[in-house]
This record gives sequence, structure tokens and C-alpha cells, in this order.
Amino acid sequence: SYQLTQPPSVSVSPGQTASITCSGEKLGTKYTFWYQQKAGQSPILLIFQDTERHSGISERFSASNSGNTATLTISGTQSMDEADYYCQAWDNKIGVFGTGTRVTVL
Amino acid sequence: QVTLRESGPALVKPTQTLTLTCYFSGFSLSTPGVSVNWIRQPPGKALEWLARIYWDDDKYYNTSLRNRLTISKDTSRSQVVLTMTNMDPVDTATYYCARMPPRPDYGMDVWGPGTTVIVSS
Repeated sequence: SYQLTQPPSVSVSPGQTASITCSGEKLGTKYTFWYQQKAGQSPILLIFQDTERHSGISERFSASNSGNTATLTISGTQSMDEADYYCQAWDNKIGVFGTGTRVTVL
Repeated sequence: QVTLRESGPALVKPTQTLTLTCYFSGFSLSTPGVSVNWIRQPPGKALEWLARIYWDDDKYYNTSLRNRLTISKDTSRSQVVLTMTNMDPVDTATYYCARMPPRPDYGMDVWGPGTTVIVSS
């Protein structure tokens, strides 16, 4: 079955840029989605169709997808961005989530 | 305003069948392109997609759990039901339902608060 792999954790200083990768075979041929989940809360949609921000999502969030890797970038990271982040894709209409990345703002 | 809310038993015994209901409002599952998904998350672990049902009753399942899952809808009552057979302690998780709007390749834009299910004898 299709798999998406993310680094378990990323640490970033306030105001700096955090990058989260998501790797999967030929991922660039599929649309990638990104979700943010804060502690004790339901996930929220950040990015759809590889690069498009969902309504109300800060411009600090951007994303790309090419080859085997999709990347979520958080610019000017704030303490409120501390959360778990998941990539997601569809493989023949079967949903697949990444392994998740915890972003810590030091 | 689109809302979803999951409901089901908080505790089930091993080997039992779990039945979860997603109650939704603010949209219709008869609208072309709309779908509802089920996702779960074991404590401290990653999200796992389980199943999806489309407005036209097309259904898709997690490959590894396909034999244990059934998703159905009651459009008139704005409900989606997920059943999972032969429950095991490893199925202990928070179960979410989430909508995908009638826009191609948009993503799961509204999620319910989740319902926690513990599998224990």
C-alpha cells in the first residue's frame, strides 16, 4: 500500500522558517494536502491541491510538490504554529496520511 | 454553517462490532461531488484514513481494514454510519468524520470533534 513519510519532529526558533517534508513514490503526480492538529483538537485543512491555502489560512503557510517530495513551509513561525502537521494524498481514491511531524517553536 | 459530530460507544469489548454515526448539518450528501470520510487516531499516534462515501453512494475503504469496515449513508437524516467488526484493543482511538466539499480535489475542509473509543474487556 502507498506510504507517506515525514520527519517525526522539527524545531524552529520564533520568526524563523520551518520546512516539513513528505515523501512518497511519485508523490508529485498526486495532489498533496496538509493538515494542522493542535493538542487536543481536531485537524484543520491548511493546503489543498499541493499549493492552495484553505480559506482563512495565514499566508505564512506555503507548500510545494515535485518528484517524490512535498514540502510545507511555515515562514515567520509563531508560537501558535506549534502543532502536529500531516500530509495526505489519494492513491486511486484511497486516502493516505503521512506519519506526522511535530513542530516545536523554541 | 457546516458541522459534523461523531457519536458512538465509548467502550467496546474485543470481538464486538463498533457502530459509529456521523451527524452532519449545513450541507447535503445528495449534492454532486460531496463526500464524507472517516479517520481515526490512536492515542499519541498518527491519523489513519478509514473510509469514504460519495454523494452517489460510491465507497472506498482502507486497504488493510477493508474486510472489517462498512460505510453507509442516510441522506434524508444527514447521517453517515461506519461499522467496524471484530474490534481489538489496537483499535482504541479517536474516530473523526470529515467532509469533502463538492469541489474537485479540495481536501477535508470540516472535521467533527471526534469520539473516543476504547476497546477493552
